[in-house]
Amino acid sequence: DAGVIQSPRHEVTEMGQEVTLRCKPISGHDYLFWYRQTMMRGLELLIYFNNNVPIDDSGMPEDRFSAKMPNASFSTLKIQPSEPRDSAVYFCASSLVYSGANVLTFGAGSRLTVL
Amino acid sequence: TQLLEQSPQFLSIQEGENLTVYCNSSSVFSSLQWYRQEPGEGPVLLVTVVTGGEVKKLKRLTFQFGDARKDSSLHITAAQPGDTGLYLCAGANDMRFGAGTRLTVKP
Repeated sequence: DAGVIQSPRHEVTEMGQEVTLRCKPISGHDYLFWYRQTMMRGLELLIYFNNNVPIDDSGMPEDRFSAKMPNASFSTLKIQPSEPRDSAVYFCASSLVYSGANVLTFGAGSRLTVL
Repeated sequence: TQLLEQSPQFLSIQEGENLTVYCNSSSVFSSLQWYRQEPGEGPVLLVTVVTGGEVKKLKRLTFQFGDARKDSSLHITAAQPGDTGLYLCAGANDMRFGAGTRLTVKP
């Protein structure tokens, strides 16, 4: 398996523009997680899905952020409109449940810069 | 949400030294995980500890889960430059991470 695939790897956009980040999880993994990482706030859980259904979106910062998982092999995280404070590295991770704990496999991340 | 505090935040040592980093919480966890993240990459799982008091070894890395399952430590023996990275702990209850310890091992 190629692992968790994220695109784009880098995105530079201007404030107010819509940003869409994409993720392809590992085939057979039932869980998908979106995280955001900054130096100030560390690695924050934004939302996670189980079998394509959003389970916990309490980490989504505000209504400008939305995430979807239309099928088991694809998920998107959308920011509309984007703001400079959204600049961060966004990670997608997928997992099986092993011995009662999720074992996360992360993608390489999407580095977003909002000017 | 169960808060995880990691210490120290930064650690810079010479090759060959030993070190210990900590992950603490006031909450009880069913299990804790340790990940290592290198620049430009996503975190990679090192170990999962499940039982209170459990000790797991991964080559020069020793992981311990506290008896009360509220804390964990990672000890590295004879650190090498290849150990440089961000070490993160995560609670398996909710898959939230601590802020991490950024380790630099100088040759």
